[in-house]
Amino acid sequence: LAKTTQPISMDSYEGQEVNITCSHNNIATNDYITWYQQFPSQGPRFIIQGYKTKVTNEVASLFIPADRKSSTLSLPRVSLSDTAVYYCLVVPTAGTYKYIFGTGTRLKVLA
Amino acid sequence: DTGVSQDPRHKITKRGQNVTFRCDPISEHNRLYWYRQTLGQGPEFLTYFQNEAQLEKSRLLSDRFSAERPKGSFSTLEIQRTEQGDSAMYLCASSPGLAGEREQYFGPGTRLTVT
Repeated sequence: LAKTTQPISMDSYEGQEVNITCSHNNIATNDYITWYQQFPSQGPRFIIQGYKTKVTNEVASLFIPADRKSSTLSLPRVSLSDTAVYYCLVVPTAGTYKYIFGTGTRLKVLA
Repeated sequence: DTGVSQDPRHKITKRGQNVTFRCDPISEHNRLYWYRQTLGQGPEFLTYFQNEAQLEKSRLLSDRFSAERPKGSFSTLEIQRTEQGDSAMYLCASSPGLAGEREQYFGPGTRLTVT
């Protein structure tokens, strides 16, 4: 299972775009990249998933370069309610469903 | 869709006691997962079920820990002879189990405090 590395914390101001980069050098050919968000005293919540290039949904975009050794979660125009921990996971598409969460990135959005 | 529910939400117990947690997954979700999370860390995988079959267990799941999903619906996680190091948030998640479906839906967790 590929190990991921993310910044421990980030600060941003309301209305700014936030980019959180995750490195996963050992990603396997069939692995997907998935991001979860977690608020205090709650379980994680799925945000977005991708394999390559760019994926966009109503809350975020995910950019994955051709070598897939890293990925960037982009949150447009953050608000105070986006303050949370964001986890990057490399998820296998076959075999194990054992998901490995790292320590995540603590995003603090300031007014 | 009522989401994943867990009971109790909080549990305080004395060292050496046994505790049992329950998880009710989203209806018709075939896969169910248990995680443990301590302060400042991400969730740590404990085990997962495909229907009633327990398919993988972490080495974190010592012989004091046991999980069951007897009818492929709800699941229980039991910790015997609790230790202070067992204090953590215990999270349950479920997923549909469809081919290629990787999103997991988490419950609110059960916070265990061992005194």
